[in-house]
Amino acid sequence: AQSVAQPEDQVNVAEGNPLTVKCTYSVSGNPYLFWYVQYPNRGLQFLLKYITGDNLVKGSYGFEAEFNKSQTSFHLKKPSALVSDSALYFCAVRDLYNTDKLIFGTGTRLQVFP
Amino acid sequence: GAGVSQSPSNKVTEKGKDVELRCDPISGHTALYWYRQSLGQGLEFLIYFQGNSAPDKSGLPSDRFSAERTGGSVSTLTIQRTQQEDSAVYLCASSLELKETQYFGPGTRLLVL
Repeated sequence: AQSVAQPEDQVNVAEGNPLTVKCTYSVSGNPYLFWYVQYPNRGLQFLLKYITGDNLVKGSYGFEAEFNKSQTSFHLKKPSALVSDSALYFCAVRDLYNTDKLIFGTGTRLQVFP
Repeated sequence: GAGVSQSPSNKVTEKGKDVELRCDPISGHTALYWYRQSLGQGLEFLIYFQGNSAPDKSGLPSDRFSAERTGGSVSTLTIQRTQQEDSAVYLCASSLELKETQYFGPGTRLLVL
């Protein structure tokens, strides 16, 4: 079965510092991985995805993610955090063998302090 | 262009009543998904439509839940005889076709009293 895990419920970082939000995956075959962000009382916004190709994927709002096959990880990163980055972040894997639905992690709340 | 829209944005209902939630996908998107976000269960898949094919209902939690998609566009999720455990945010997403990125609407926040 396909799954993703987000080991941290919350990540705290000071504004201007680099941030990392962790995600590991377990899939059969090649993974299709995604990051979404959810601001309060809003839907999910697409940030970036990895399908194939370069292991470093660049996305919206200055975020990037590094696909690491040996560690089965897809951590989200940003070189310099902003207070406005504070939100709930979800890692997801596409279930290619069953309806193409997204299987989500439990989410990580990012808090950026001024 | 316009994104995925959902209505109503909030719905409060009494236990036992039926509710209908609406989703308007991005124009031209053939695939449409419903997910539910709740405190206890996180984000979970409910149902999926692809073009004119029969929907995959494998994620629906009970037979009180049903959904339809008319004309390959607008979708309605219906919950009959609502229960308090149905309280959640119901999210709709669409994608251009299979294996493309899914884009989400703002959700409908359902509260069953």
